[in-house]
Amino acid sequence: ETGVTQTPRHLVMGMTNKKSLKCEQHLGHNAMYWYKQSAKKPLELMFVYNFKEQTENNSVPSRFSPECPNSSHLFLHLHTLQPEDSALYLCASSQDLASGSDEQYFGPGTRLTVT
Amino acid sequence: AQSVSQHNHHVILSEAASLELGCNYSYGGTVNLFWYVQYPGQHLQLLLKYFSGDPLVKGIKGFEAEFIKSKFSFNLRKPSVQWSDTAEYFCAVNAPGDTGRRALTFGSGTRLQVQP
Repeated sequence: ETGVTQTPRHLVMGMTNKKSLKCEQHLGHNAMYWYKQSAKKPLELMFVYNFKEQTENNSVPSRFSPECPNSSHLFLHLHTLQPEDSALYLCASSQDLASGSDEQYFGPGTRLTVT
Repeated sequence: AQSVSQHNHHVILSEAASLELGCNYSYGGTVNLFWYVQYPGQHLQLLLKYFSGDPLVKGIKGFEAEFIKSKFSFNLRKPSVQWSDTAEYFCAVNAPGDTGRRALTFGSGTRLQVQP
């Protein structure tokens, strides 16, 4: 148990669907992250939130829309996705970005398949 | 932006063999360095980290890594691998003094397969 949970663990959606991924951390952290993990590619940082404020959007297409209502929860809203968006989406948290010297704790990921 | 290179994409070893996985980064300033491991079907977890001090860092499960600043390297080592070390290993770096580079940048990973 990492203290970071993600739901759902698996998701299959059509290109016209709208769905959301949820991440929750129970560690009292203030920074949260979304990553995309595709086969044979480095983990791609998508979004960073620090104290609920988005601090980084790594040129992610607008069909991915993050939301961070509080420091414990992070959502990734999905709409009109493409088959190439199929991947493992990982959420992570860390204490905060102030020092940059703390480790990130990862959730188990959501395996997304776009048909 | 900083980048991380892991040149070994897939490594196959027999049990008891020694392991060294390469990691090089490109950033001229102060860095923090990490190795994460992802066992089959499990989440990413921290193996070890370097922030400052002794450049030889010891982590969990007998792993260690050495930071060589002049070579921009942070190679992971283990003297004798076990079948249970079969996993994917990721090197990561961030730059704590640069507000735009505090999030981790990961390498592409090295898949280690240990044969019994």
